[in-house]
Formats: sequence, structure tokens, C-alpha cells
Amino acid sequence: EPEVTQTPSHQVTQMGQEVILRCVPISNHLYFYWYRQILGQKVEFLVSFYNNEISEKSEIFDDQFSVERPDGSNFTLKIRSTKLEDSAMYFCASNRQVAGDTQYFGPGTRLTVL
Amino acid sequence: GEDVEQSLFLSVREGDSSVINCTYTDSSSTYLYWYKQEPGAGLQLLTYIFSNMDMKQDQRLTVLLNKKDKHLSLRIADTQTGDSAIYFCAEKGELTGGGNKLTFGTGTQLKVEL
Repeated sequence: EPEVTQTPSHQVTQMGQEVILRCVPISNHLYFYWYRQILGQKVEFLVSFYNNEISEKSEIFDDQFSVERPDGSNFTLKIRSTKLEDSAMYFCASNRQVAGDTQYFGPGTRLTVL
Repeated sequence: GEDVEQSLFLSVREGDSSVINCTYTDSSSTYLYWYKQEPGAGLQLLTYIFSNMDMKQDQRLTVLLNKKDKHLSLRIADTQTGDSAIYFCAEKGELTGGGNKLTFGTGTQLKVEL
């Protein structure tokens, strides 16, 4: 069964450094998402991406964040200058179409900012 | 904005039924989902229900939706120790062309005791 994959599983970085989190969505899916979950808190929506552009973003997704689909398979989340409060589990998700289609989540990347 | 709430903990004995409840505020919800998260793992889709349905059954899982009260529940029959996990309720709002974020609840920690 096809699945969403994410790398790395765990990323440790110093405050102020740039990180890129990588995702490979399911191959025939057209809509891509990033969510994050701070330890012990809700899963929060960050951004959705369709047709090579951002379709919706949350208040969390400020200028420090960017997303890209650099080729036909990868979908990346970049944090330019990490802060301590960026420490969280970051989940990528994808779905094939909007209506009546469920989002399938990857296993997550745990980001630890020191 | 949209909000989804769940009780934080539920403890049941193995073999009993578990009922996890969820309330939401978005009156334009189209789909509601239940995801399962095991320790250190990602979000596994369990089941979903379209907003014009009252009930959906899938093997040991029964989803009940009271749209008037904006109340969703997940019943797990014959609960097993392997069902111990965090269960997230999530809702998808009015469908748009650019993808639809999910709004997640706080998660309910289900503990199954022998």
C-alpha cells in the first residue's frame, strides 16, 4: 500500500540554523500539507500546497517558513532561522483530490532546536 | 475559528467497549475523521464519516455523528490492549478548490487495562 514518507525521522539543530524537512507524498496525490504537533499539544495545520503554490496557510506559517516541490516527488518544508519554540513533530500529509478524499499522513520528523 | 474538543483520558478494561467523544464548532464541516497515534508514531487514519451521515460501522469501529449538537463519537467494540493509543478527532470544513486543512482535537489517551 502506498504511503507518505518523511526524512529524517529526527533532526537536531542549533537555534538560528536553517532546516529542511523532506517528504515524499503518495505518487498520484495532488494536495500536500504540513502540520506540526508540539509535545503534548494538538496537531496544528501549517500550510497546504496545490498546483505548485500555497493554497492556505495558518498564522504559524510566517516568513521563516517556506515550502517547495522541487521535483515530481519531493515536498519540503524549510525553516530559515529556527527558534526553540519550533521544536515539534512535523507531519506531512497528502491527498489525491479535495472532495471526499482523506489525508494520509507520514510518520513525522521530530525537530529538536537547542 | 474552528475548534475541536475531546476529553483527555479514557481507561477501559480489555474486552469492554470504549467510547471516545468529540465536539466541534464548525457548522460547515463536511467530513469528520478519527486518527490513531501510537507512541512515537505518526497519524493512522481509522475511519471517517461524511457530514450527511448519522452512523458508520467498520468492523469493531462505530462512528456516530449528531450534526445538530456537533458531536462525534467513536465506539470501539471488544477493546484490546493493542488499541491503547491517542485518538484524534479531526474535521474538514467547507470544501474549496485549494485543499482543505484538518482541524484536530486535543486527542484522547485510551488506556486498556487487563
